Amino acid sequence: IVMTQSPLFLAVTPGEPASISCRSSQSLLYSDGKKYLDWYLQKPGQSPQLLIYLGSTRASGVPDRFSGSGSGTDFTLTISRVEAEDVGVYYCMQALQISYAFGQGTKLEIK
Amino acid sequence: QVQLVESGGGVVQPGRSLRLSCVASGFRFSSYGMHWVRQTPGKGLEWVAVIWHDGSDKYYTDSVKGRFTVSRDNSKNALYLQMDSLRGEDTAVYYCARDPGYSDYGATMDVWGQGTAVTVSS
Repeated sequence: IVMTQSPLFLAVTPGEPASISCRSSQSLLYSDGKKYLDWYLQKPGQSPQLLIYLGSTRASGVPDRFSGSGSGTDFTLTISRVEAEDVGVYYCMQALQISYAFGQGTKLEIK
Repeated sequence: QVQLVESGGGVVQPGRSLRLSCVASGFRFSSYGMHWVRQTPGKGLEWVAVIWHDGSDKYYTDSVKGRFTVSRDNSKNALYLQMDSLRGEDTAVYYCARDPGYSDYGATMDVWGQGTAVTVSS
């Protein structure tokens, strides 16, 4: 399964919304009704951290300005109001099929 | 607190071996599946391997099959990655990550180590 993110670079004014798209080459909707798509954020100089799993469930401690949505092959990470601490590279990952695969990453910067 | 600490990285010649370790603390290690993920400047994040909580199942990405072996010692809260026949394209930062098992199928990585750098070069 190949994961394709867009855009690869995003510059956003604080307080404005931001959206990142992730498309998978195969459906990530499994027979159990769940969508196996995760979102991770890698802040500068840090390890990746989990933001969203199963397409739309926020991980523990993740602010509610982050939300995930999508169908079987098209997914979106939305930040309702970008803050300075949100800078970094965002990755989607298909979590359905071994070998699990990440998108190329979307770098978010603050204007 | 919940923590993963990798070690064992370094500079190694092509064709040689290296063993990475990941020590867990702050949670019941034996209850969780564990992953290895690597990151290269050119290719971003790449999933490498997974091992079931009890070591009963292991899976690898195609590019490392037959060369890398993932294992664990639950009595020591430790995860390992034995890397043999190393190639230049294995140069990366290697992370271990915990799988919380949010579902019966699929994978998620909710805790990551700080990473250990491996450079394969003559």
